[in-house]
Order: sequence, then C-alpha cells, then structure tokens
Amino acid sequence: KAGVTQTPRYLIKTRGQQVTLSCSPISGHRSVSWYQQTPGQGLQFLFEYFSETQRNKGNFPGRFSGRQFSNSRSEMNVSTLELGDSALYLCASSLATTSSSYEQYFGPGTRLTVT
Amino acid sequence: AQTVTQSQPEMSVQEAETVTLSCTYDTSESDYYLFWYKQPPSRQMILVIRQEAYKQQNATENRFSVNFQKAAKSFSLKISDSQLGDAAMYFCAYLNFGNEKLTFGTGTRLTIIP
Repeated sequence: KAGVTQTPRYLIKTRGQQVTLSCSPISGHRSVSWYQQTPGQGLQFLFEYFSETQRNKGNFPGRFSGRQFSNSRSEMNVSTLELGDSALYLCASSLATTSSSYEQYFGPGTRLTVT
Repeated sequence: AQTVTQSQPEMSVQEAETVTLSCTYDTSESDYYLFWYKQPPSRQMILVIRQEAYKQQNATENRFSVNFQKAAKSFSLKISDSQLGDAAMYFCAYLNFGNEKLTFGTGTRLTIIP
C-alpha cells in the first residue's frame, strides 16, 4: 500500500504571496492532519479533516486554511505569507478508529521557504 | 491542555548497546494514546511504537520497548542492540481518545557511536 504523499517537496515563495500544499493519504484513511515543524516552535498541530469536515483546529491565524476532498486528499493554503511561515509542513493520515489506536502515518513533508 | 516533556535534548549510545529516552506528559484525561516517532535526517516521520493508556502491559516492537507508568505520567522508550540506522530525532507524542490532535515533545537527538 502506498504511503502518504505530499507535493511539492520544496517551495520558495515571497512575502505576501499565497501557497497551496497537497497531501494524498494512505488508501482507506479518511482522516488527514497537518502539522508545522520549525526549529523554534517544534511540531505544532494545524488542523484535521475527516470526511471533508474540519474536526479539529490548532492555534494558528486565519491565514492558514485547509480543505479535504471526497477522495480524502487534502490541501492546505497559507495566504499573505510571512517570513515566520518558513517551515516543514507535515501531513499525516489515519484510519481514526479505536482499533487502529488512532495511529497517524506521516508524509515526507513540504519544505516552505518564504523570502 | 496536554503537555509533553522530553528533558534530554541529545543522547548518544555505542552501537549494540541499550539506551533509554525519557518522556513525561501532563493530562487530566484517562483515555489516551502515547506514541514514539522517529525522524531521521531524511525528515520522514516514522511511527516506532504506540501505547494505549488503558493497557497495563508495556508495548514492545522488536528492539523497541516502552516503560509506561500511568500514575507517574511517564513514557520512556528503550532501544536495545542499538544500530547505526537508529540515529534520528525521537519524538514522544500524546493523543486524546477520539481526537486526532497529536501533541509532541521537543525531541531527543540520538547519536549512535560505531
């Protein structure tokens, strides 16, 4: 079974621009979560989608948004980019069931650099 | 809010030896899950082991085992017979029952000495 895929792997943007990152979960996984990883703040939860609905949201400004499609693929969008948005963005998918212990499987990440 | 603390920023171990990474957490919940993830320099986060809070038995996965002390809110990872491929950042993570939000610790960088 293929793992979680994320595109693109690397991205360079300029302050003020917007960006869209994509995540394809493991086949059969309906939950997709997004995390931001930076050297200063570590790993922080952005949001989680399940069956096209946002179920959980972290403490990030409204510039960060996401969505999920009927095939469980997810996108996250960051508008009006700031230098501090430079980070590794990780996507994780899960069956989101008790029997799976809510295990999350991560993609390779998208490295976003804002200049 | 839940918090996860990893007090060892860096650890090193001789190849073939055993090393234990520490993790403590704080929660008022009774049903939750705990995980150890490994992030090698390639960046891909890999699930190492999980523990359900309702299970008293410590989880084991090959050379990896945990010491789960629920009352003390402690969740340490023991790596036996350390191998060069074990070199990575190790993150302890907490998840509430029925919730997909993982709360991570700050990580421990493990170096394997040949």
